[in-house]
Amino acid sequence: DAKTTQPPSMDCAEGRAANLPCNHSTISGNEYVYWYRQIHSQGPQYIIHGLKNNETNEMASLIITEDRKSSTLILPHATLRDTAVYYCIVRPQAPGANSKLTFGKGITLSVRP
Amino acid sequence: DAGITQSPRHKVTETGTPVTLRCHQTENHRYMYWYRQDPGHGLRLIHYSYGVKDTDKGEVSDGYSVSRSKTEDFLLTLESATSSQTSVYFCAITGREFNEQYFGPGTRLTVT
Repeated sequence: DAKTTQPPSMDCAEGRAANLPCNHSTISGNEYVYWYRQIHSQGPQYIIHGLKNNETNEMASLIITEDRKSSTLILPHATLRDTAVYYCIVRPQAPGANSKLTFGKGITLSVRP
Repeated sequence: DAGITQSPRHKVTETGTPVTLRCHQTENHRYMYWYRQDPGHGLRLIHYSYGVKDTDKGEVSDGYSVSRSKTEDFLLTLESATSSQTSVYFCAITGREFNEQYFGPGTRLTVT
């Protein structure tokens, strides 16, 4: 019962923006969109999250469509160290088991020199 | 990294032996989680804790038990390890403000 769909892979050139799409057409009103990434052999790393407004932090920007059915994670200047699997997850903000992380297959981003 | 450490980082053990994995955090977070990650299955929740002595089961809790006798430590025990429990185990805590989760470095467990 995947709640998000992502393409399996994409690549971009170092220094260019990487735009990673995610579809979440069944998102509920109380669910947020979270993005994580996992670099090979490391634990998942939180990147950013949002409800309906666009968000930006030191790592990335998150653009959520007005109908909230899709979003795009933007890494403005990708580096080789950004090569990783990126996961888009929808979940309530409240902590507990109901907000457990369910990771799908994610999208593998390869940044080329 | 929210001050999360896991020990051991690597372990090889034999079928039938007990194994305990430790997750330690230094920032007094209330919620802690144990996940396992396997190829083709992604990350799956084993158990979680919402306070000292307060724990609950996740989706793949069979064969695992947990304990949390103090805020900073969350222990995962395999009472009698099986080969199907060969996996990478991640501990996580929940951030205070936005329910984002921060993960430890992982423990790679091999049961032979």
